[in-house]
Amino acid sequence: KAGVTQTPRYLIKTRGQQVTLSCSPISGHRSVSWYQQTPGQGLQFLFEYFSETQRNKGNFPGRFSGRQFSNSRSEMNVSTLELGDSALYLCASSLRTQTEAFFGQGTRLTVV
Amino acid sequence: GESVGLHLPTLSVQEGDNSIINCAYSNSASDYFIWYKQESGKGPQFIIDIRSNMDKRQGQRVTVLLNKTVKHLSLQIAATQPGDSAVYFCAENIPTDKLIFGTGTRLQVFP
Repeated sequence: KAGVTQTPRYLIKTRGQQVTLSCSPISGHRSVSWYQQTPGQGLQFLFEYFSETQRNKGNFPGRFSGRQFSNSRSEMNVSTLELGDSALYLCASSLRTQTEAFFGQGTRLTVV
Repeated sequence: GESVGLHLPTLSVQEGDNSIINCAYSNSASDYFIWYKQESGKGPQFIIDIRSNMDKRQGQRVTVLLNKTVKHLSLQIAATQPGDSAVYFCAENIPTDKLIFGTGTRLQVFP
């Protein structure tokens, strides 16, 4: 079956702009989580959605937001981009909690 | 490829040797643990998981050991191969059902 798909793979934005990233989970998976990965901070949890509801949120400012649609596809949005938002953004899907989460290849965001 | 960590601890092993990668987790109430492998330019890939009611679980060439007393997790890779070279992350499922990742260990396999 198809894996987790993230689009776009690469993105370059300027400071102050906003960006929307997309994640299509594995068919049948209802839980989608987002992570930010940077060399200095490693993998940091952003938020998790299950059946269109945000169930968990990490310690990120309100500029980071997300949503999940009825088909389980998810988007995350970052507004007023800062240089420090440059990172690899990873999406993971799972059937439910406490089961293996499958990751996409990520979206590499560069803010200039 | 892209770097996933500039200051990661590194384990260097010779091809054919066994590798042991260690991880200390933070929350004594964590009930589920996963090991992931991340190769350059790719997302993390699931290797093996273990629940807190177990202390050992074996997969193909991999074994995970869980010591809840000292909050320690280890991944053992038997007969390490060049294709095992990657960054390895442990992750713990904390009681609020967030998956929290460790900082990672880079495994380098030499012929």
